Amino acid sequence: DTAVSQTPKYLVTQMGNDKSIKCEQNLGHDTMYWYKQDSKKFLKIMFSYNNKELIINETVPNRFSPKSPDKAHLNLHINSLELGDSAVYFCASSQGVSMDIQYFGAGTRLSVL
Amino acid sequence: TQLLEQSPQFLSIQEGENLTVYCNSSSVFSSLQWYRQEPGEGPVLLVTVVTGGEVKKLKRLTFQFGDARKDSSLHITAAQPGDTGLYLCASPSSNSGYALNFGKGTSLLVTP
Repeated sequence: DTAVSQTPKYLVTQMGNDKSIKCEQNLGHDTMYWYKQDSKKFLKIMFSYNNKELIINETVPNRFSPKSPDKAHLNLHINSLELGDSAVYFCASSQGVSMDIQYFGAGTRLSVL
Repeated sequence: TQLLEQSPQFLSIQEGENLTVYCNSSSVFSSLQWYRQEPGEGPVLLVTVVTGGEVKKLKRLTFQFGDARKDSSLHITAAQPGDTGLYLCASPSSNSGYALNFGKGTSLLVTP
C-alpha cells in the first residue's frame, strides 16, 4: 500500500478553471502538508495542517484552500487557476514531531494552459 | 525564513567517481535533513543530523554536519547510475508548523 497517495498524477486545465487535488495517508500521522515545486525544482511549503490547526504560508494566494475532512486526508482546492500555478504539488505527512520523517506523495503535475 | 544554499546546482559524473555536495546557511541549523528525489517521485529521507560534527554513513553515502551547525556535506563514494537524482537539504521552518525549508537542490547525473 502506498503510504501517501495523491490524485490525479497529472492535471491539465485552462486558465480560470477551479480544480482540486486529493491526498490520503495511511500512516496514522497527525500532520499533513502541501508543498509546491516550481520548474527549477525549488520545493516550498504552502500549508501544514496538524490536528485541525491550519498554518498557512503567507505567500500563498488565497485562491488556494486546503480542506481536511479527517486526519487521513488533506485536499487542495485551487480557484481561478493562473499560468503561474503550473508546478508539481506534493502532499506529505509526518507524525508532527520536529524533524520527524516526512513522507511524500509522488506529486501532481499541474499544467495551466 | 532560513535560507539554505546548495552547491553545485548540477553535477554530471561517470560511474565510479566520487563526489561531494554541500548545504550552507548563514545561520545555525537546529537540525538538518537530506532527501533524495528521483524523477517523477517525491523526496525520500536519507538522513537526519542534529549534533555539530556528526558523521553518518549510509552505504556509500557519508553525511557530515559542520561543527558550528551552519553547513553540511554529502559525499558519495564510487557513484552508481542508481544514485542519479535531486539531492535536497532541509531544515525545520520556524513559522510553518512542522514543515521544512528546502534548499534548491543538487541535480546529480551518473552515467555508466
